[in-house]
Amino acid sequence: GAVVSQHPSWVICKSGTSVKIECRSLDFQATTMFWYRQFPKQSLMLMATSNEGSKATYEQGVEKDKFLINHASLTLSTLTVTSAHPEDSSFYICSARDPGLSTDTQYFGPGTRLTVL
Amino acid sequence: GENVEQHPSTLSVQEGDSAVIKCTYSDSASNYFPWYKQELGKRPQLIIDIRSNVGEKKDQRIAVTLNKTAKHFSLHITETQPEDSAVYFCAAGRGYSTLTFGKGTMLLVSP
Repeated sequence: GAVVSQHPSWVICKSGTSVKIECRSLDFQATTMFWYRQFPKQSLMLMATSNEGSKATYEQGVEKDKFLINHASLTLSTLTVTSAHPEDSSFYICSARDPGLSTDTQYFGPGTRLTVL
Repeated sequence: GENVEQHPSTLSVQEGDSAVIKCTYSDSASNYFPWYKQELGKRPQLIIDIRSNVGEKKDQRIAVTLNKTAKHFSLHITETQPEDSAVYFCAAGRGYSTLTFGKGTMLLVSP
């Protein structure tokens, strides 16, 4: 299957600072990537759909000014959590589709655990 | 939008038994139904998926069935092993579009 990586795997930051998370497709080009948030023992909640070369599509209730998404190339999407607060602490996971394999299957990155102090 | 319900939330079985997890969806236009396995602290891994043009798909000990009329689909794991212990998520969506996930089922397989 397609390989998706994320960096960093974990990050601890102070309240009020910004944190950038990278999502890369390693062996394929992804025009679309997805960003999810997962709280402990809970499901995957879609935050936004990242489209290469255009603006991201955010789900209802997700603040676009707080969670900045940039998809500047076919292999890289970034999520920046701006002015992070303790309630932003969560597991952030990205996924991508490999159009060469399937038009609908999503392959997930390993996730980034964010802790805001 | 799509709404996916998943049951049970936890499932405990003895090694060698079968396990069944059920999901229902609301959007009749959904045509893609993947199942993911997630171990603690790890990424969700696709284990099997089914599209709306078939009613059943099998891959070794894992099978998925789909009833489009009733809008429900199920994951069947036979001859369970301790390494099958994980959280399983179902999802539903349309091709090229987003996926909506169920709340997950924690499967515990006791030796």
